[in-house]
Amino acid sequence: ETGVTQSPTHLIKTRGQQVTLRCSSQSGHNTVSWYQQALGQGPQFIFQYYREEENGRGNFPPRFSGLQFPNYSSELNVNALELDDSALYLCASSLEVGNEQFFGPGTRLTVL
Amino acid sequence: LAKTTQPISMDSYEGQEVNITCSHNNIATNDYITWYQQFPSQGPRFIIQGYKTKVTNEVASLFIPADRKSSTLSLPRVSLSDTAVYYCLVGDMRHYGQNFVFGPGTRLSVLP
Repeated sequence: ETGVTQSPTHLIKTRGQQVTLRCSSQSGHNTVSWYQQALGQGPQFIFQYYREEENGRGNFPPRFSGLQFPNYSSELNVNALELDDSALYLCASSLEVGNEQFFGPGTRLTVL
Repeated sequence: LAKTTQPISMDSYEGQEVNITCSHNNIATNDYITWYQQFPSQGPRFIIQGYKTKVTNEVASLFIPADRKSSTLSLPRVSLSDTAVYYCLVGDMRHYGQNFVFGPGTRLSVLP
């Protein structure tokens, strides 16, 4: 069984640019959540998708958006990047809403 | 949202039992207590989850008193590879992930 994978591993962008991060869920999982983890902090919930629909959102501005595809892979898009967006971005999939989450290794984004 | 408080850091020696206590005074009736482990540059990994009394699995035990206002993660006979950050989370299983708030966690250092 393949675990949760994320791409790319590392990414460097400049302020004002846009970025797309990708997540491939564990096989059979229809729910995916995205988290932002700043250095030395715990992960902060961005949003969750269930069967291609947004199913909850944390305290992040609209320039953070997402998509979940029919194969349950997903994307996190961030527009108008700011320096404070530099962080490790984690996705986590679960079999259903309410089940254990399995985290990917994350994408480390650096905004210069 | 139930707020959690845990020690920022702990030191232990190989072979010792480590107990990490988490306070969650405002835990709600439907909330479960979940512990995650995170190594540097990796996503968090589920350790154990419980609602009340005691839960044990192959890696840890979770002790929850009757009032559920705190919980204790017990790691038996730790090794160097248990050096990691441990997060205590409290949340409603029906909204698993949506309202999960990770605090800064407890940084456990296991010394030889």
